[in-house]
Amino acid sequence: DTGVSQDPRHKITKRGQNVTFRCDPISEHNRLYWYRQTLGQGPEFLTYFQNEAQLEKSRLLSDRFSAERPKGSFSTLEIQRTEQGDSAMYLCASQGTLTYEQYFGPGTRLTVT
Amino acid sequence: TQLLEQSPQFLSIQEGENLTVYCNSSSVFSSLQWYRQEPGEGPVLLVTVVTGGEVKKLKRLTFQFGDARKDSSLHITAAQPGDTGLYLCAGDPGNQFYFGTGTSLTVIP
Repeated sequence: DTGVSQDPRHKITKRGQNVTFRCDPISEHNRLYWYRQTLGQGPEFLTYFQNEAQLEKSRLLSDRFSAERPKGSFSTLEIQRTEQGDSAMYLCASQGTLTYEQYFGPGTRLTVT
Repeated sequence: TQLLEQSPQFLSIQEGENLTVYCNSSSVFSSLQWYRQEPGEGPVLLVTVVTGGEVKKLKRLTFQFGDARKDSSLHITAAQPGDTGLYLCAGDPGNQFYFGTGTSLTVIP
């Protein structure tokens, strides 16, 4: 399968713990995006990479959130000191050069108890 | 205030009926995409519209991009239960990729 993959699909954690999610984009895509989505709402932009460079970060993104794409391939999103308000679906998408479309992974559902 | 407003927010119809979903903005977009999302899954791309006034058909789905490239519509003919899902428009007005507020469609058999 050559689509976008995310791991894990589900994560349950206690408040105050750190969590890390992984995204593997479509191999030839150089752009990678992270989004957060709550129930019934559209995805909300978090951050964006072009190759290994993080070019944009939402002003809504707390300092507890950090993302990396060390070799321009897979990416990780870490949330430190999780809060109940962090409970959401975290989506990753990749996009090729000179194309409009983004292709999404299945998401990681985070539940903070 | 959302950059891309969709209407209606919720829609429940009987199988076989027609429906239209709207996506509106005050910003100009070089393109707009439409996605469909099922519960617990990521959005799946349906179509991209690029040219103002463009109409694209995908089986029973018809997508239109407004002449001014600020709005788009999705029309479904003879809806089926398999069309149930969250429909999202999305696009980049030049600075960031935005999603619409979403339309949750339920087609009742």
